[in-house]
Parts: sequence; C-alpha cells; structure tokens
Amino acid sequence: TQLLEQSPQFLSIQEGENLTVYCNSSSVFSSLQWYRQEPGEGPVLLVTVVTGGEVKKLKRLTFQFGDARKDSSLHITAAQPGDTGLYLCAGERGGYSTLTFGKGTMLLVSP
Amino acid sequence: GAVVSQHPSRVICKSGTSVKIECRSLDFQATTMFWYRQFPKKSLMLMATSNEGSKATYEQGVEKDKFLINHASLTLSTLTVTSAHPEDSSFYICSAREGRNGYTFGSGTRLTVV
Repeated sequence: TQLLEQSPQFLSIQEGENLTVYCNSSSVFSSLQWYRQEPGEGPVLLVTVVTGGEVKKLKRLTFQFGDARKDSSLHITAAQPGDTGLYLCAGERGGYSTLTFGKGTMLLVSP
Repeated sequence: GAVVSQHPSRVICKSGTSVKIECRSLDFQATTMFWYRQFPKKSLMLMATSNEGSKATYEQGVEKDKFLINHASLTLSTLTVTSAHPEDSSFYICSAREGRNGYTFGSGTRLTVV
C-alpha cells in the first residue's frame, strides 16, 4: 500500500490558471516536504512543513500542512510555463528517518 | 546551502559489465546517504540507506549483491551496479541530509545498459 497518496497524478492546464495538488495519508508525519523535479535532474526542495495547520508561501505557491499532520496541499496561483515539472511530496516519520515519497504529480502548463 | 554532487550524469554500458556511481556531499559531512531509483515519469523508490563505516541497509526486494554500496568516508558514497542488464537501465539519484536542514538530492545518473 502507498503510504502517501498524491493526486492528481497528471495535470495539464493553461497559463494563468490556478491548481491544487493533494498529498494524503492515514499516517502521521513529523514533517512533510514538497519537491519539484525537472526531467533529467534531481528533486529540488521547495518547502518543509512541520507544524499541524502550518501555511507557508513561496511566491505564487502556497503550502499547507493538515492539523493532524497527515495531509498536505500545494496551491499554485496563476500558473506559468516555468512551473512545469514533477511535484513530489515526501513525508518523514520521526527525526532522521527515511523519506517516503508520494507518486508525484506531473504538471504541464501551456502558454 | 548544502550541495550533493553525483557523477556521472549519464553512462552507457554493455550488458554484463559493472558501473560505479559516486555521490559526494561537497560542503558538509553525511554519515547517512540514500540511494533511489526512478522510472520514467514515476516517483522515487528508495533502494538503500548508506551508512558511513558500516553496511548499507537495503529495502525489501533490492538485491544487495547486485547493487553494491560503499560509504567509506563522511563525504562519499558509491553505488556499483554489478553485471548490469538492460532492466537495470534507470535514473539513479542519491541524497544526503545536513543536520536538520532537510534532504539535498544529487542531480541523478541516467544509466543505459545496452
């Protein structure tokens, strides 16, 4: 069973649209991270959330950690072609444990 | 910020040969590094946890004799794919963690076995 369920798996939108990616689990995580990966490159960390209910903003990206620390969302406002990539959520269940990745959301933003 | 360097970025090898991939933490020491495998348009699958000075911990289903991991120093871990076959072709990525600053990933190695 997949510990972290990420949805949608694929999203194709037009420039200027808004979108939300969800990352859900039945397990509690001490922290949850969001990464963006471009083809042929390693994932790049966007944000880490650690406190239940926490909201972090990174320009047009808004990240939220659920109150129970079991789920998270990534909202992108006014998407741009440069936002195209694979978005991955990853959870950590205790300090210095291994990361568990969701299946990823492939986002394609067309001009 | 923390930087992890992975080399080579691409490698093509003949079936039956072995390939070594290096993962270096450039500006910090990493007692633990992680090796992942990624199939096209899919997520990362943890293969093993590399521990400096001791044996690696392999995930279930990963052949330790095929994917040899050596972590001989605090800044270098290597993954050797032994007797490579076409089904071993994949994107391999390493990562390391600096203190509590989160995980930093290498840029990956595209392995093609012909």
